[in-house]
Amino acid sequence: QKEVEQNSGPLSVPEGAIASLNCTYSDRVSQSFFWYRQYSGKSPELIMSIYSNGDKEDGRFTAQLNKASQYVSLLIRDSQPSDSATYLCASGNAGNMLTFGGGTRLMVKP
Amino acid sequence: SQTIHQWPATLVQPVGSPLSLECTVEGTSNPNLYWYRQAAGRGLQLLFYSVGIGQISSEVPQNLSASRPQDRQFILSSKKLLLSDSGFYLCAWSPDTQYFGPGTRLTVL
Repeated sequence: QKEVEQNSGPLSVPEGAIASLNCTYSDRVSQSFFWYRQYSGKSPELIMSIYSNGDKEDGRFTAQLNKASQYVSLLIRDSQPSDSATYLCASGNAGNMLTFGGGTRLMVKP
Repeated sequence: SQTIHQWPATLVQPVGSPLSLECTVEGTSNPNLYWYRQAAGRGLQLLFYSVGIGQISSEVPQNLSASRPQDRQFILSSKKLLLSDSGFYLCAWSPDTQYFGPGTRLTVL
């Protein structure tokens, strides 16, 4: 069974620090990986996608993928209180089907 | 640009009552469409997906059903709601990845 695992948290970081969110996946044929941000009571919002090994940067966000270790991470630099949310990791296959992790709750304290 | 709508936004229904949730997508044609449920404090559970009109695949056996009567319309239904059907229902559409609608929060009492 395909699985995506995340630590449920909460992960607490001070404002201005780097938040590091991690995710592992079990399906070796997964081709694409995504990070969604979900504020309380709201729907998930796509913030990053990554398809190949290495780092991908977008503003304060960096996604990292290591297919050999089946590991995906999201780094948030200069964390702000507005970054406080649940972050969902997802792996995808060729048919655009996604498998979601349970999410990590991030709390950024002023 | 593409937009996805869901309604109603919130719904409170008694046990045993019927359900109909609607999802529509604008600005694209022949999208893949998905229904998810998220129980309180839990992850996303895929319920149904559709690759075209009348083509529905079910991921989890339950008392829910889905239909796609038009290219950009996806409906989630139930004949008799259970308490366990409470949750946040999300519709998503997919070009290369999935984008979610605003969701419907369903409370079954």
